[in-house]
Amino acid sequence: AQTVTQSQPEMSVQEAETVTLSCTYDTSENNYYLFWYKQPPSRQMILVIRQEAYKQQNATENRFSVNFQKAAKSFSLKISDSQLGDTAMYFCAFTPGAQKLVFGQGTRLTINP
Amino acid sequence: DVKVTQSSRYLVKRTGEKVFLECVQDMDHENMFWYRQDPGLGLRLIYFSYDVKMKEKGDIPEGYSVSREKKERFSLILESASTNQTSMYLCASHFGERGPYGYTFGSGTRLTVV
Repeated sequence: AQTVTQSQPEMSVQEAETVTLSCTYDTSENNYYLFWYKQPPSRQMILVIRQEAYKQQNATENRFSVNFQKAAKSFSLKISDSQLGDTAMYFCAFTPGAQKLVFGQGTRLTINP
Repeated sequence: DVKVTQSSRYLVKRTGEKVFLECVQDMDHENMFWYRQDPGLGLRLIYFSYDVKMKEKGDIPEGYSVSREKKERFSLILESASTNQTSMYLCASHFGERGPYGYTFGSGTRLTVV
């Protein structure tokens, strides 16, 4: 089965701290794409970062970076210098072969002032 | 700016009604998707379409159907709405193999069935 598991339903940190969101997935595919999406209260899903499974180098986008461990099927998101605007639901997702996205359950992240 | 537009942000319908949720994209994307979002369950795929008049069942198609008569429009139909279909519905589209360029989402329709 193609599944994504986010084991942290909620997290809360202070502004400027670093936070890591966990994600594991299961697939028999060798080539796929992994994503982290952010959904603020506006409900608009925003792509945070994308990783191609055949690339060993971890993706980075400004304050956002991933730790991709292909053998362990792990794809965690690190947010550095967290800001109030980072408060949102975060979803881990991947494309397991067909063109659909498979999502995790989501992690509600709150950044406190 | 590219867009996926869902016709309603909030919708309240009665049990047994036939409900249409509309989604339009202006990016000439071949692939379009309907997801359902529920707390603790994330987003689950209902149906998707990779071309006009083509459709494929997702993970939870029961109680739903879809229509894609034009490339830019993908409609989700609840044939006879039930209270367990109260949820947030998100439409998405993308272009390209395995979505390498990412998916574009609409801002969702929160449907309440009473």
